[in-house]
Parts: sequence; C-alpha cells; structure tokens
Amino acid sequence: GAVVSQHPSRVICKSGTSVKIECRSLDFQATTMFWYRQFPKQSLMLMATSNEGSKATYEQGVEKDKFLINHASLTLSTLTVTSAHPEDSSFYICSARGAGGPFLETQYFGPGTRLLVL
Amino acid sequence: DQQVKQNSPSLSVQEGRISILNCDYTNSMFDYFLWYKKYPAEGPTFLISISSIKDKNEDGRFTVFLNKSAKHLSLHIVPSQPGDSAVYFCAAILSNSGYALNFGKGTSLLVTP
Repeated sequence: GAVVSQHPSRVICKSGTSVKIECRSLDFQATTMFWYRQFPKQSLMLMATSNEGSKATYEQGVEKDKFLINHASLTLSTLTVTSAHPEDSSFYICSARGAGGPFLETQYFGPGTRLLVL
Repeated sequence: DQQVKQNSPSLSVQEGRISILNCDYTNSMFDYFLWYKKYPAEGPTFLISISSIKDKNEDGRFTVFLNKSAKHLSLHIVPSQPGDSAVYFCAAILSNSGYALNFGKGTSLLVTP
C-alpha cells in the first residue's frame, strides 16, 4: 500500500513553545492531506483539510491561528501547534489522498505523532 | 453529531472463528465506506473498502458487506488470527464534500488463541 510518513513520531515540549509536525506522501502525489487528532479511547477527529497550494479548511472548533497548516507541495504538509499548552497533548495523525486510482477514495495514514506538552 | 456509529466497543473471538464487526451510519449520501485497523500509538492502516453501489467486497480473509436500506455495514474476518487483535474503525466518505473521513469510535477486537 501507499506510504505516508510523519515526523517526529514523538515530541515533548514546554508550554508556550511551538511544535512542527511533518507529513509526507512517499510514493504518490497527495492532492489533499488531512490532519486528525485522537484523544485516548476516542475516535479520530478531523481537524483540517488541506489542498496543495491553497489555504486549509478547518473544522468547527479548531483554531486556525493555533494549528497552522501548510501544504506547500504535493508530497508535504506541515502542522504547527503554536504556543502549545498541556491540553494540546494528543496523538496527531495525518492522512493523504491522491488524484486518482486507488488513492482517490482511500486515505493513507501516517504513523502519528505523540505530542506531550509539559 | 456522530454520523458513523460502532455500537460495540469491544469484541472477543476465538482464533480460527469468524469475527464480525458492525457499523451503522445515518447519512444516506455517503458513497464510500472504508475499514481501518489501528494498533496503539500507530496510524490507522487501510484494510478494505466498498462503494455504495456494491453490497459486498472481499479481499482474502476480509469481507465487507453493505446493506444500504438498513444503513449498515459489517466487516467479516475469517478465520480470525491473534494478529488481528486491534481497534477497527469504520469510516464513510462524502465524495462531494472533500473526501474527509467520518469515523466511528472503533471496536477493539481481541482474538484469543
């Protein structure tokens, strides 16, 4: 199957600092990338959708100034958690969707990033 | 509002038997459904999908059944193996709404030897 990587896999930071998470599609061009977060024992909640070269679309209740998303190329999207606070601690997962074929309807997920804000 | 529901938080099945995971949805406009498998601290792995115009899709030990009139789908795993133990998420897509996945809350499957 398609490969999506995420970096870093785990990050611990101090409250007030910013953290950048990268999501890369390794073997296909991702026209759309999605960012999810998952709290313990909860489902994955969509945070935002980003299309290459355009502004991200945020879900209701997600602060766009706090969670900055950049989809600069067809293989890379970044999520920056600005001025992180302990309540931002979570598991962040990206997924990527391509332009056609098996990548059209199917999203392929990265391995996730565990963020812990102290 | 949860449009995709997995009402069984957990399921335990003996190795070699059939595992049946259920999923219900409320939006009749969903046109594509997917099942993902997820281990702790990892991203979901795509398992199998089905278009809304079909009622069955099979891939090896995995079969997904779709009953549109009942707004219900199920994932059958046969024979179940201990390595199948994971959380299984059902997800649905509206293709005219950006292809974002609507996830259920997941069912934790435990396959015992």
